Order: sequence, then structure tokens, then C-alpha cells
Amino acid sequence: GAVVSQHPSWVICKSGTSVKIECRSLDFQATTMFWYRQFPKQSLMLMATSNEGSKATYEQGVEKDKFLINHASLTLSTLTVTSAHPEDSSFYICSAARDRGLQETQYFGPGTRLLVL
Amino acid sequence: AQKITQTQPGMFVQEKEAVTLDCTYDTSDPSYGLFWYKQPSSGEMIFLIYQGSYDQQNATEGRYSLNFQKARKSANLVISASQLGDSAMYFCAMRVDFNKFYFGSGTKLNVKP
Repeated sequence: GAVVSQHPSWVICKSGTSVKIECRSLDFQATTMFWYRQFPKQSLMLMATSNEGSKATYEQGVEKDKFLINHASLTLSTLTVTSAHPEDSSFYICSAARDRGLQETQYFGPGTRLLVL
Repeated sequence: AQKITQTQPGMFVQEKEAVTLDCTYDTSDPSYGLFWYKQPSSGEMIFLIYQGSYDQQNATEGRYSLNFQKARKSANLVISASQLGDSAMYFCAMRVDFNKFYFGSGTKLNVKP
């Protein structure tokens, strides 16, 4: 099966610092990568979609200057939470799709738990 | 508008019995894909099963099957012979646009020994 890694799995940081989360597709090339945020006992909330070599498409209400997404290659996308604050504490999950067909599932990374003190 | 609805916040099932998790969807697009994912307490989302809008037959994957009723816009997940390891959150999702998946609110399944 397709494997997606995400690093780090846990991060604790002080308020005001920036945190970078990496998402890698290990055994396939991902045309599209997705970034989600999940609060406890809630569903996934799509933050943005990124396609390799182009700017990310952000969902309404997601600050693009706050959550910087870079999709540098077909196997790597990064999410940087800039000037993190306690309200940014959450579970962040990335996923990757091999192609754009509607039948193509997304493969998820294991997630990153961010705690901002 | 695209929407996925899961009306069961929580379900209980006895080990070895079958359970059905409900999912209804709303879209005006004729082409779409429907997916089910499992999220154990560890947090990782696991792909379970897929059903295409033009598929004539219900999808099956091992103990998982999808009861697809297109006219009713429902795509219920059936888990046969439940196991303790099936206890998890289950999410139904729809893809109508290559740039987006729409998720339901999820159903927490508890399998009792």
C-alpha cells in the first residue's frame, strides 16, 4: 500500500515560535497533498490543498500567512505554523493522493500533535 | 452544495456480530467517489473501502462491505463479524472535486466482548 510519513509526530513549543511539519509520500508520487486539522472528538477540517509546483489553495477562514504550505516536490509538502499561539494547538494530519481521479483515495500520514504553551 | 451526513455519533456492537454505520450524501454532480476511513485512538486515518458513483455492484473488502443505494444517496458501511480491534471512529467521505474530500462528522464504534 501507499505510505505517507509525517514528522514530527509530537511537538511542544512556546507561544510565538514557528513550527514546521513535513509530510512525505514514501513510495509514490503525490499529485495532490491535503492538510487537515482535527480537534478532539471532531471530524477533519480541510485547511488547504497543495499541488506540486503551484500555490496552495486555502479553505475559507484559514489564514494563509499563518499556515504556510509549500509543496516542493511530488513527494514532499510542508506546513509551517508561524508565530504559534495556544489556540493553534491541535492534531494536524496530512494526506496524499496519487492522481486526481475521483476513484483515487487519499493516504494519510500518522498526524502531528501540536501543543503551544 | 456537497455534504456528507453521519447521524450516529456512537454505536455499540457485540463481538462477532455485524454492524451497519450510516452515511448519506448530497451532491448534484453525477460523478463522485465515496470512501470510508477508520481512525483508531492512535489518530492515524486508515482507508477501508471505496465506491464509485457509476459502480453497479456494492464494494466489498474482506469484512467490510458498502451498501450503496444511489437513489437514496446512501453509502452505509457494513462490518461483518466485529472484532475488538474494530473499535474506532469511522468517517464517511466523498470526492467530487480532485482538490477536495468532504467528510462526515464520524461515528464512534465500540465493540463489546
